[in-house]
Amino acid sequence: DTEVTQTPKHLVMGMTNKKSLKCEQHMGHRAMYWYKQKAKKPPELMFVYSYEKLSINESVPSRFSPECPNSSLLNLHLHALQPEDSALYLCASSQDSGDVRELADTQYFGPGTRLTVL
Amino acid sequence: AQKVTQAQTEISVVEKEDVTLDCVYETRDTTYYLFWYKQPPSGELVFLIRRNSFDEQNEISGRYSWNFQKSTSSFNFTITASQVVDSAVYFCALSALDPGGYQKVTFGTGTKLQVIP
Repeated sequence: DTEVTQTPKHLVMGMTNKKSLKCEQHMGHRAMYWYKQKAKKPPELMFVYSYEKLSINESVPSRFSPECPNSSLLNLHLHALQPEDSALYLCASSQDSGDVRELADTQYFGPGTRLTVL
Repeated sequence: AQKVTQAQTEISVVEKEDVTLDCVYETRDTTYYLFWYKQPPSGELVFLIRRNSFDEQNEISGRYSWNFQKSTSSFNFTITASQVVDSAVYFCALSALDPGGYQKVTFGTGTKLQVIP
C-alpha cells in the first residue's frame, strides 16, 4: 500500500475556479515532487521541494503554485487553468538523504488526482 | 542529452507466457540510476527496481528479473509466467546529470502490457 496519499482523487473545475491538490507522506522523506501526466504519456516533472524549499521549477506556468507547509505535506494551488491542463497529477516523495544527488533517489508515488478543466 | 527508449508500445501475451520489456538509455554521465515503474489502470506509479550504473549484477525478485548491460546501454525487464494482474503500463526511467550539470529524471514512453487469460 502506498504511503503517499493524495486528495482529491478526482477534481472537475472551471477555468475561473481556484482549487488545491493535496499530498501527504509519512515516510520521513525530505524531498517531494509534483508531476503532470497526460493520457498515454510518461509523467513530466513540474516541481521539486527539498527540505521544504523549492529546488526545481520546470518552467511551469504561474497558474500552478506549489506550497510545502512542512516536510510531510505538499500542495498544488490551481488558478485560472486551461482545458489543456486536464491531466493526472502525481505527487511523489524520496529520501533525499544527501548520500546521492537529488532526483537520484527512488521516488514513491501517490495514486494521483485526475483533474478535468472545463 | 539523456534519453530513454522503450521501443515496444504495446505487447499482448497469453497468461503464463514469459515476456521481456526492453529499455535502452543514453547518457554521458558516468554515475546514473535506472528505474522501472509499473502503472496499473488505477494510475499510481509503483516502484519496482532501482539500479546504479556501477552495479551490473542482474536481479531476480519472484517472477520479475532485470538484465542490466552497460555495453549495450540496456536495462531489460522480464516477467516469467505472466499473470493477468501484470497488465499495466511499465515505465523505464533514467536519472543522470544533463549536459548543463543538473540532475534530471527522464522517463521512457512506456510499454503497455496486456496479459490475456
